[in-house]
Amino acid sequence: EPEVTQTPSHQVTQMGQEVILRCVPISNHLYFYWYRQILGQKVEFLVSFYNNEISEKSEIFDDQFSVERPDGSNFTLKIRSTKLEDSAMYFCASSEGRARETQYFGPGTRLLVL
Amino acid sequence: GEDVEQSLFLSVREGDSSVINCTYTDSSSTYLYWYKQEPGAGLQLLTYIFSNMDMKQDQRLTVLLNKKDKHLSLRIADTQTGDSAIYFCAESMKSRGGGNKLTFGTGTQLKVEL
Repeated sequence: EPEVTQTPSHQVTQMGQEVILRCVPISNHLYFYWYRQILGQKVEFLVSFYNNEISEKSEIFDDQFSVERPDGSNFTLKIRSTKLEDSAMYFCASSEGRARETQYFGPGTRLLVL
Repeated sequence: GEDVEQSLFLSVREGDSSVINCTYTDSSSTYLYWYKQEPGAGLQLLTYIFSNMDMKQDQRLTVLLNKKDKHLSLRIADTQTGDSAIYFCAESMKSRGGGNKLTFGTGTQLKVEL
C-alpha cells in the first residue's frame, strides 16, 4: 500500500541553523501539507501546497519557513534560522484531490533545536 | 476560528466498548476524521465521515455525527490492548487555494487495562 515517507526521522540542530525536512508524498496525490506538533500540544496546520504554489498558510508559517517541490517526488520544508520554539514533530501529508480529500500522514520528523 | 475539543483521558477494560467524544465549532466542515497515534509514531487514519452523514460503521469502529450539536464520537467495540493510543478528531475545511486543511483536537489518550 502506498504511503507517505519522511526523512530524517530525527534531527538535532543548533539555534540559528537552517534545516530541511524532506517528504515523499503518495505518487498520484496532488495536494501536499505540513503540520507540526509541539510536545504535548495539538497538531497544527502549517501550509498546504498545490500546483507548485502555496494554497494556504497559517500564522505560524512566517518568513523563516518555505516549502518546495524540487522534483516530481520530493516535497520539502525549510526552516531558515531555527529557534528553540521550532522544536516539534513535523508531519507531512498528502491527498489525492479531485474530491478525494482524505489526508495521509507520514511518520514525522522529530526536530530538536538546542 | 475553528476549534476542536476532546476529553484528555479515557480508561477502559479489555473487551469493553470505548467511546471517545469530540466537539467542533465550524459548521461548514466538509469531512470529520479520526486519527490514531501510537507512542513515537505518526498519525494513522482510522476512519472519516462526510458532514451530511450521521453514522458510519467500519468493522469495530462506529462514528456518530450530530451536526446540530457539532458533536462527533468514535465507538470502538471489543477494545483490545493494541487500541491503547492517542485518538485525534479533526475537522476539514476547504483551503482558499485548493485542497483542505485539518484542525485537530487535543487528542484523547485511551488506556486499555486487562
